Amino acid sequence: GEDVEQSLFLSVREGDSSVINCTYTDSSSTYLYWYKQEPGAGLQLLTYIFSNMDMKQDQRLTVLLNKKDKHLSLRIADTQTGDSAIYFCAETPTVGAGTALIFGKGTTLSVSS
Amino acid sequence: SAVISQKPSRDICQRGTSLTIQCQVDSQVTMMFWYRQQPGQSLTLIATANQGSEATYESGFVIDKFPISRPNLTFSTLTVSNMSPEDSSIYLCSIGDGSPGYTFGSGTRLTVV
Repeated sequence: GEDVEQSLFLSVREGDSSVINCTYTDSSSTYLYWYKQEPGAGLQLLTYIFSNMDMKQDQRLTVLLNKKDKHLSLRIADTQTGDSAIYFCAETPTVGAGTALIFGKGTTLSVSS
Repeated sequence: SAVISQKPSRDICQRGTSLTIQCQVDSQVTMMFWYRQQPGQSLTLIATANQGSEATYESGFVIDKFPISRPNLTFSTLTVSNMSPEDSSIYLCSIGDGSPGYTFGSGTRLTVV
């Protein structure tokens, strides 16, 4: 079945760039997502990328997609302490309303000042 | 995008009892999804709820334990029945309305004692 893998922890200093990596197995994945979960909070959609794109940039966030290697990354520029959270990679094979997301285990980002 | 109101936000329950979690959406949506997030884990899909039909459960989840109602296009409930400490988790509802971004409720943090 489909599987999404992420590294579990990342620790960076404030002001540095953070890169969170994700690999997935489903070659039919159409959309790939990054969600952020702060302590005690729900899931916040950060960004998503369509499978026919290589890169998407949104302010401090850059998403890179290597479809050949089924590798997705999220780069956060100028990381701030407020970026400390769990980041989930997720994918769906279709964009149809009946398809649920499949999540990775999440990467805990710790930002020190 | 749609807004989901999920409640309760948290609860502490005695083992053997049941808890019903509600999700109200501010617009009509076809599909709603229910996820479980066990402590330190990723999100696991429990079931997909389509208005007017029985929910579709994922492997490892059964209707007797997690009955779901979907009486109209803006509302759904998930009941966690005959609870045990292993049911202590965050439960989240989500909607897929056909657009790329899936919206999540704020989650229900359940502790079973």
